Amino acid sequence: GAVVSQHPSRVICKSGTSVKIECRSLDFQATTMFWYRQFPKQSLMLMATSNEGSKATYEQGVEKDKFLINHASLTLSTLTVTSAHPEDSSFYICSARLATMNTEAFFGQGTRLTVV
Amino acid sequence: GIQVEQSPPDLILQEGANSTLRCNFSDSVNNLQWFHQNPWGQLINLFYIPSGTKQNGRLSATTVATERYSLLYISSSQTTDSGVYFCASEGSGNTPLVFGKGTRLSVIA
Repeated sequence: GAVVSQHPSRVICKSGTSVKIECRSLDFQATTMFWYRQFPKQSLMLMATSNEGSKATYEQGVEKDKFLINHASLTLSTLTVTSAHPEDSSFYICSARLATMNTEAFFGQGTRLTVV
Repeated sequence: GIQVEQSPPDLILQEGANSTLRCNFSDSVNNLQWFHQNPWGQLINLFYIPSGTKQNGRLSATTVATERYSLLYISSSQTTDSGVYFCASEGSGNTPLVFGKGTRLSVIA
């Protein structure tokens, strides 16, 4: 299957700092990528849809100024958590697809963010 | 949008036992996937199965799209099968997958 690589896998940062998470599709081009967040013992919740060359679409309740998404190329989307606070500590995971419709989605390894 | 419900929420099995996990979805779907989330959080793709039946080793899955459900079968379970199994689906176009709440499986020796 297709490979989606996410980096870093784990990060600890101080409260008030910003953290950037990268999501790369290694062997295919992805015009659209998706960012999810997962709290302990819960399911994955969609945060935003990242569109190459245009603004991201955020789900209700997700602050676009806090979670900055950039999809500058067909193989890379980044999520920046700005002015992180302890409540932002979570598992963040990205997803990409081979084509625009009706195809299997693949996920990165996830990033475990801890804000202290 | 699509709603996905999984059952049971928790399941404990003796090693060697078989099990069936169920996923119900609220509308017609173009995509239905099953995942296993390992202890490190990574989602492992098990099946891409918007309809029909597929098998991969001890695992198999069936989706009956007209009745809006999918089943994941695990046979001869092993302790390494433990973890959370998620079902996810999407309605149409390049929309994101919507996840169920998962089934937490524990296989004990």
